[in-house]
Amino acid sequence: SYELTQPPSVSVSPGQTARITCSGDGLPKQYAYWYQQKPGQAPVLVIYKDTERPSGIPDRFSGSTSGTKVTLTISGVQAEDEADYYCQSVDSSGGYVFGIGTKVTVL
Amino acid sequence: DVQLMESGGGLVQPGGSLRLSCAASGFTFNIYSMSWVRQAPGKGLEWVANINQLSDKKIYVDSVKGRFTISRDNAKNSLYLQMNSLRVEDTAVYYCARNHNGWSWGQGTLVTVSS
Repeated sequence: SYELTQPPSVSVSPGQTARITCSGDGLPKQYAYWYQQKPGQAPVLVIYKDTERPSGIPDRFSGSTSGTKVTLTISGVQAEDEADYYCQSVDSSGGYVFGIGTKVTVL
Repeated sequence: DVQLMESGGGLVQPGGSLRLSCAASGFTFNIYSMSWVRQAPGKGLEWVANINQLSDKKIYVDSVKGRFTISRDNAKNSLYLQMNSLRVEDTAVYYCARNHNGWSWGQGTLVTVSS
């Protein structure tokens, strides 16, 4: 079955840059989406179609893509950015798949 | 604003059934495909099922095929998930989500399968 590979955790100091990668063989052909989830809350979309940012999402969140890898970058990390981040895409059968999630810890 | 409100969760014994509902508001429900996603306690997100606008295409994750059925009533702006033959491993928070340039999510409803 199709998998998206993310690191389980990333640690970053306030004001620094956090980069979260997501790898999958289908990513050159299918868009990736990124969600932020804080404890006890529903996920929130932070990046769609690889690089687009929804209205209301701070511009310190950005997305990029290169081949079979997409990256979520959080520039100037703030304490409130501590959360789990999930990448999502479409698999070859038309279903959907999520990465395992990356826990971002702000030191 | 997009609003999605799940209901119908609760405690059920293994082998039992449950029907989840999702009431949608704040958008034109009948022009969007919709999904159910679940999250087991302390675990990641798992997509469960998707239904298109006219209900003529339904897709499921392999682990629920033959047990769960997704449906919708566009006249009532509602999405449903009929869950039969429930297993302990189906225990999770179940979210409904609107599919459009990324997903908008409800707050979820907890399903606990336990004897």
